[in-house]
Amino acid sequence: AQSVSQHNHHVILSEAASLELGCNYSYGGTVNLFWYVQYPGQHLQLLLKYFSGDPLVKGIKGFEAEFIKSKFSFNLRKPSVQWSDTAEYFCAVNDNGGSQGNLIFGKGTKLSVKP
Amino acid sequence: AAGVIQSPRHLIKEKRETATLKCYPIPRHDTVYWYQQGPGQDPQFLISFYEKMQSDKGSIPDRFSAQQFSDYHSELNMSSLELGDSALYFCASSLYSGGAPDTQYFGPGTRLTVL
Repeated sequence: AQSVSQHNHHVILSEAASLELGCNYSYGGTVNLFWYVQYPGQHLQLLLKYFSGDPLVKGIKGFEAEFIKSKFSFNLRKPSVQWSDTAEYFCAVNDNGGSQGNLIFGKGTKLSVKP
Repeated sequence: AAGVIQSPRHLIKEKRETATLKCYPIPRHDTVYWYQQGPGQDPQFLISFYEKMQSDKGSIPDRFSAQQFSDYHSELNMSSLELGDSALYFCASSLYSGGAPDTQYFGPGTRLTVL
């Protein structure tokens, strides 16, 4: 079965530090990849997505992610984090290769940014 | 922009009672997904609908049922509630685009507490 692994359960950074959150998926076929963010007490918001084309995708709030097919990875990055980035980050994959497939989520990475 | 609406936002029920959760997708979205997120867990896919027909089924208990109506809103019916059903229930919607990958947009969730 398709699975998504997020390597870090909890990451603690100081403001202005650089961020990289790991995400690996298990499916070898066509995948659509997503990063969602969940701020405390709020719903999942889409940060960015990759369907095809340029493997470096840019999202909202200065986030970007790189799809590396050979490594089955889709790591999330931000050059300089802010206190407001404190949230839980979920990597997700839709293994349908097309449309309407359900999302399979990783376990999430909780990011705490110290002011 | 209009977002996914879920009601109620909070619901408290006793064991063995029933509950109905409602989801109103983004206007013109025709596909609805339901996810369950237990405390400290990642969201787990339950069921999805496209054009009022069930399109996919995940780990939804037999005690639960759902449907999508002609106005595309969806309801998740939960019977014989158990303590373990306490969770955040998210609805997401998307627009089918003829086989191209779609993006799911999440609602704020309904927090169900079973006592």
